[in-house]
Amino acid sequence: QVQLVESGGGVVQSGSSLRLSCVDSGFTFGTYGMHWVRQAPGKGLEWVALIWHDGSKTNYAESVRGRVTISRDTSKKTLFLQMDSLRVDDTAVYYCTREGGDTSHMDVWGKGTTVIVS
Amino acid sequence: QSALTQTPSASGSPGQSVTISCTGTSSDIGGYESVSWYQQHPGRAPKLIIHDVNKRPSGVPDRFSASKSGNTASLTVSGLQAADEADYYCSSYAGSDTVIFGGGTILTVL
Repeated sequence: QVQLVESGGGVVQSGSSLRLSCVDSGFTFGTYGMHWVRQAPGKGLEWVALIWHDGSKTNYAESVRGRVTISRDTSKKTLFLQMDSLRVDDTAVYYCTREGGDTSHMDVWGKGTTVIVS
Repeated sequence: QSALTQTPSASGSPGQSVTISCTGTSSDIGGYESVSWYQQHPGRAPKLIIHDVNKRPSGVPDRFSASKSGNTASLTVSGLQAADEADYYCSSYAGSDTVIFGGGTILTVL
């Protein structure tokens, strides 16, 4: 069964750092691009970052560019999101997602991990 | 980059059909055959229900259909059921390895 499980969320103060992790089970992690998507309380979905299947390329939303780094460890089947200089408006549920093809649709979603910045 | 524009809410009675629209620009919806739709029930993660404009993943009922014309994409839910009450989000590839979502539509089954 294909499954993504996020961890690393918590309550932190503005200006601090946090590292989110997402462990894959049930699929060939190294053959899929991966994304992070977030959802602020009561708000819609916001794309945050992507990384190619081989880690050779990454890209970020303007709202997080320069403060966030996406990376992956294929041997551990784990996706990461390093978040620095956190701001109150980074408060959200952060979802790890798998890219289902070459058209940026996300066919597998984790349950999310909550980040609260006070 | 601004979010895609979705009607904030839609509603219909059981058995009826309802259509949700999603408007972007030639830099996203209009420029690529890469529109996706997601269904999200309260407290749950989103679920992919449409990809590549009009393709349904395995297990998604054919009551869900979608299309695109120019810079606007549409999702139609036919034969409305109580379980269809949820938030619906459109998404599109927006070039240069970026993705954009719509603001979401709350679908109410009356």
